[in-house]
Amino acid sequence: EDQVTQSPEALRLQEGESSSLNCSYTVSGLRGLFWYRQDPGKGPEFLFTLYSAGEEKEKERLKATLTKKESFLHITAPKPEDSATYLCAYEPGGTSYGKLTFGQGTILTVHP
Amino acid sequence: DTAVSQTPKYLVTQMGNDKSIKCEQNLGHDTMYWYKQDSKKFLKIMFSYNNKELIINETVPNRFSPKSPDKAHLNLHINSLELGDSAVYFCASTQEGYGYTFGSGTRLTVV
Repeated sequence: EDQVTQSPEALRLQEGESSSLNCSYTVSGLRGLFWYRQDPGKGPEFLFTLYSAGEEKEKERLKATLTKKESFLHITAPKPEDSATYLCAYEPGGTSYGKLTFGQGTILTVHP
Repeated sequence: DTAVSQTPKYLVTQMGNDKSIKCEQNLGHDTMYWYKQDSKKFLKIMFSYNNKELIINETVPNRFSPKSPDKAHLNLHINSLELGDSAVYFCASTQEGYGYTFGSGTRLTVV
């Protein structure tokens, strides 16, 4: 069964302490791997889409990378406002277009 | 100028009642979705409509019925509400080549 697993479940960092979140997936035929940020009481906010192994995308302090088995979200010198739940999701190819399968998320807390 | 808007934001109702959640997007996207986020925060797809046509229908009880009057609107009607239906329901939309845009969610509490 296709699935996606995120680790760690929770991560506590000091401001400025860089780290990475992991998203590992088992799916045959990946159309896209997505990263979202979700703040309490709000809907997921789109961050990145990665389509092929070796691809990288950056946005401010965040950088997403993709291999054939996993994706990483690197956070460089995080600030307290980066605290949120980070979700990854994959979209399989073929006839399952549009069917995102989400991981359980990583709750990131950045302390000042 | 909200991209994907849902109403209501909160919904508290008794078991057995029928309720509806409305969703509208002003992005011009062709495809709209309903997702359910349970207490463990897992987001799971329920339905997808492409230009008013149902294209994804996951294993969801028949008590849940989506309706899309036009490609900018996707509503969710729930009959005979049960305690287990309590969750946050998110509407989303997308267009080929673009990311998915989610609404802010409707927190449904069945008592």
